[in-house]
Amino acid sequence: SSELTQDPAVSVALGQTVRITCQGDSLRSYYASWYQQKPGQAPVLVIYGKNNRPSGIPDRFSGSSSGNTASLTITGSQAEDEADYYCKSRDSSGNLVFGTGTKVTVL
Amino acid sequence: EVQLVQSGAEVKKPGESLRISCKGSGYSFTSYWISWVRQMPGKGLEWMGRIDPSDSYTNYSPSFQGHVTISADKSISTAYLQWSSLKASDTAMYYCARRDYYDSSGKGGDYFDYWGQGTLVTVPS
Repeated sequence: SSELTQDPAVSVALGQTVRITCQGDSLRSYYASWYQQKPGQAPVLVIYGKNNRPSGIPDRFSGSSSGNTASLTITGSQAEDEADYYCKSRDSSGNLVFGTGTKVTVL
Repeated sequence: EVQLVQSGAEVKKPGESLRISCKGSGYSFTSYWISWVRQMPGKGLEWMGRIDPSDSYTNYSPSFQGHVTISADKSISTAYLQWSSLKASDTAMYYCARRDYYDSSGKGGDYFDYWGQGTLVTVPS
């Protein structure tokens, strides 16, 4: 079982803001990274480190962290943002671990 | 251009062995760890383990230790994931990913910046 917990699903109206959270004790010591996965496709990195976006990721994606919680925020959600989102960090043994995943629906 | 290209889909019988591959290009293959990630049908991502191609040091998730073997051949910039005896429960999509590390003011974090396209392994029961 994952030591990083995410809400299973969230919905957001087109153009509105949605925050996806990831909780786990290891997040006090390590930054999370965030991945977007659309059906039938490989995951794509969207946020890493304190709040860094890889080249090509729109600036409506941002990350933050406080205590044992990391957050991914999509400001001005677009239809193409509908996807599964996973956080990733480490577990209590130092092994890498993914969060349980959040399905984002854009209404 | 950085690329990770995986081998093609496989259909195998229970008890058979299998090795799938992940070939890196466009970067120094020995400078970045490679991880393998499993995704069972309709399920989430699971980290299986990783290898440092420079010295072939590996470590595995406890969930996969002893069930799979990760290896690499740095002379051909390729990492491998292998099974000695497949089970129906091994049916899944498998991804390789390149790992980088971010460090700022004493707090860091791993991230997977490039992913392979995935290899579908099907083991009918």
